[in-house]
Amino acid sequence: AQSVSQHNHHVILSEAASLELGCNYSYGGTVNLFWYVQYPGQHLQLLLKYFSGDPLVKGIKGFEAEFIKSKFSFNLRKPSVQWSDTAEYFCAVMGNTDKLIFGTGTRLQVFP
Amino acid sequence: NAGVTQTPKFQVLKTGQSMTLQCAQDMNHEYMSWYRQDPGMGLRLIHYSVGAGITDQGEVPNGYNVSRSTTEDFPLRLLSAAPSQTSVYFCARSDRRPYEQYFGPGTRLTVT
Repeated sequence: AQSVSQHNHHVILSEAASLELGCNYSYGGTVNLFWYVQYPGQHLQLLLKYFSGDPLVKGIKGFEAEFIKSKFSFNLRKPSVQWSDTAEYFCAVMGNTDKLIFGTGTRLQVFP
Repeated sequence: NAGVTQTPKFQVLKTGQSMTLQCAQDMNHEYMSWYRQDPGMGLRLIHYSVGAGITDQGEVPNGYNVSRSTTEDFPLRLLSAAPSQTSVYFCARSDRRPYEQYFGPGTRLTVT
């Protein structure tokens, strides 16, 4: 069965710091990978996705993620965070089933 | 609201009561799903549907029923509410594999 691990539960950064959030998945076949973001008091929205092709994908608001198949990873990065990036970030994976499975999330706090 | 409407926004139930959480979409998308979100546990898939008349279980289906008689509606039924079902429930839609999900605003349910 597919599963997702997000190792960073809570990350605290200052504005302009670089960000990398870890995501590892467990599934042996072809995967589709997603990062979703939930801003305080709001519902989830898609940040970026990987289906196939270039393993470096770019999303909204300057975020990017790299799919490394050999490491079963899909880490999220941003060179310089802003206070408005304070949110909870969820990695998700879909394999050959029709189930989209989420990780437990990483809470990011950015201080001015 | 990403084309997904959820009602009610808030609900308080007593243990043993039953209720239905409503979810409707106006995009004619085939795929719909229900998740619950709990602190530290991320989002967990309850049930999903790949089209009218077709439903399947997710990660945590016990205590919940669903039906999909139309493309637009995907209600979630709690047959006998338990305190462990206190959570925020999100409904989502998607038009095709690999199912980029669009989430509704959520229903916050408290079972006392």
